[in-house]
Amino acid sequence: DVKVTQSSRYLVKRTGEKVFLECVQDMDHENMFWYRQDPGLGLRLIYFSYDVKMKEKGDIPEGYSVSREKKERFSLILESASTNQTSMYLCASSSLDRATDTQYFGPGTRLTVL
Amino acid sequence: AQSVTQLDSQVPVFEEAPVELRCNYSSSVSVYLFWYVQYPNQGLQLLLKYLSGSTLVKSINGFEAEFNKSQTSFHLRKPSVHISDTAEYFCAVKNRGSTLGRLYFGRGTQLTVWP
Repeated sequence: DVKVTQSSRYLVKRTGEKVFLECVQDMDHENMFWYRQDPGLGLRLIYFSYDVKMKEKGDIPEGYSVSREKKERFSLILESASTNQTSMYLCASSSLDRATDTQYFGPGTRLTVL
Repeated sequence: AQSVTQLDSQVPVFEEAPVELRCNYSSSVSVYLFWYVQYPNQGLQLLLKYLSGSTLVKSINGFEAEFNKSQTSFHLRKPSVHISDTAEYFCAVKNRGSTLGRLYFGRGTQLTVWP
């Protein structure tokens, strides 16, 4: 069974802290994605990666960075957390070989920045 | 570029009533179309998708959607809903020519089924 896991379901941080959100997939997928989900705004793409050490900006990359050192792991980094980054963060992965394939999502991390 | 419009942010219905969740898209290229569902406190999961062939696609739990190219729509329907269908539903499109797998999502429709 396919699986995308995220390191935390809930996270509370203080303004200015550096925050790491981890995502791991066990499907050998090439593509990985980070979204944030806010009420009324749907899912907005922050960054995605199509290979190890490769990354592309999504629609709202400001205030975020990413790291992909291994194929199965894609990390989202908030260099200096701010209250407007309080949100639900969703990670997803998909296969490159089958370009029409499904994106598989993790359960999400609800981040609160105080 | 692609964009997706979900015309209703909230749809309340009674159990066993029919429901339609509307989705329209805009794209300069051919697209694949998807509906994802998010149950409370969970991530998204694929409900159904249109890639090619028959324009009517169905899910295992009774939902169906029809691709209408002339109206650029992909509305989701179910003839009789259950309490367990309460969830948020997202319509999404993907550029057919892209291998990167990027999806463009609508803002979501919250379906609430009342007893």
